[in-house]
Amino acid sequence: SQKIEQNSEALNIQEGKTATLTCNYTNYSPAYLQWYRQDPGRGPVFLLLIRENEKEKRKERLKVTFDTTLKQSLFHITASQPADSATYLCALGGFKTIFGAGTRLFVKA
Amino acid sequence: DTEVTQTPKHLVMGMTNKKSLKCEQHMGHRAMYWYKQKAKKPPELMFVYSYEKLSINESVPSRFSPECPNSSLLNLHLHALQPEDSALYLCASSQGASGLGDKTQYFGPGTRLLVL
Repeated sequence: SQKIEQNSEALNIQEGKTATLTCNYTNYSPAYLQWYRQDPGRGPVFLLLIRENEKEKRKERLKVTFDTTLKQSLFHITASQPADSATYLCALGGFKTIFGAGTRLFVKA
Repeated sequence: DTEVTQTPKHLVMGMTNKKSLKCEQHMGHRAMYWYKQKAKKPPELMFVYSYEKLSINESVPSRFSPECPNSSLLNLHLHALQPEDSALYLCASSQGASGLGDKTQYFGPGTRLLVL
């Protein structure tokens, strides 16, 4: 069955450092992969989408890579800030979207 | 307007009650979704509507009954729920409804449901 794993349940980093979150998947050949941010008690917010023919995508301080050979996506937040503290979810699929369990990021001032 | 709205924000109901959750979007999106999310877990897909027709039902118990009255509205009717159904219920919409159309999902804030 299709499976998505996000490597860390929680990640603690110091303000100003780069946070790197990992998403691995199995039994799937996605045309694209998405990353969402979710704050407690709120709905997920779309951040970035990367297609299978794209190696890297950037948006302000965010960068996503997609390696279809390794079946892995990396999500980077550079110059992290306490306001970046949230749960980050990777997602595969179109209509039948499957979300990873998420990584809770804590950025300490 | 890039907002998905959901009402109510909070709902407490007994196991014999009938209630409805409502979701609305005015982005012209042709696909709408219901998800259930338990604490510290990812959203789990329940239903997908495409062009106002139910296209995916993830084997959801019949005590949950979705309805799509028009392209902007999505309801979830609740009846005879169990305490384990307590969760955050999220509605989402996407522009794409078929093929390679954009399926980036825009989520509402959710309805926090407690079943006593």
